[in-house]
Amino acid sequence: GAVVSQHPSRVICKSGTSVKIECRSLDFQATTMFWYRQFPKQSLMLMATSNEGSKATYEQGVEKDKFLINHASLTLSTLTVTSAHPEDSSFYICSASGLAGGPDTQYFGPGTRLTVL
Amino acid sequence: SQQGEEDPQALSIQEGENATMNCSYKTSINNLQWYRQNSGRGLVHLILIRSNEREKHSGRLRVTLDTSKKSSSLLITASRAADTASYFCATDGGGNQFYFGTGTSLTVIP
Repeated sequence: GAVVSQHPSRVICKSGTSVKIECRSLDFQATTMFWYRQFPKQSLMLMATSNEGSKATYEQGVEKDKFLINHASLTLSTLTVTSAHPEDSSFYICSASGLAGGPDTQYFGPGTRLTVL
Repeated sequence: SQQGEEDPQALSIQEGENATMNCSYKTSINNLQWYRQNSGRGLVHLILIRSNEREKHSGRLRVTLDTSKKSSSLLITASRAADTASYFCATDGGGNQFYFGTGTSLTVIP
């Protein structure tokens, strides 16, 4: 149990376009979802925390207008990278936590590789 | 930044040897967790240790936690080539967000 999927797994886009990444909890209700970014050979950096039905809380230095997060249901959160530029190229990973697992437990998706040309 | 630090950044050992990696963090925590990541892939949860625990075992993994020094170590015994991966510690900073360490890249040579 506790599977989190991400779609797409890989996306290449042109500079200036917007890209939407989906994160789904497949077999549990995720009250909280988290979005991370990972540059090559670096660690995961928490971007934002989103609770279902409310606005996301962004970490310092993350532009909320650039990285739009929607958590409209207990099984789906989306991250939209607006007007993407080459420096936004990165590995984006989501995680989800729910009532069953408790706040200690986050289940991670497999990640989405974004390449902006 | 609440990001922790890990050392060494990279570690290369022969199969069968033990691998030790360390994590230091900055804030008070409720628990600390270790994750493994194969290149370009998602994270695999290895072990969670709570702030009131000092040591925990899971198979070939042994984790220690010293809250007075704000540090933790992960020991992998009898390493295998399949253990080659990056290893990250993650702390909760007292809340429900996770802050990851800088990671240790482990290479186990067959």
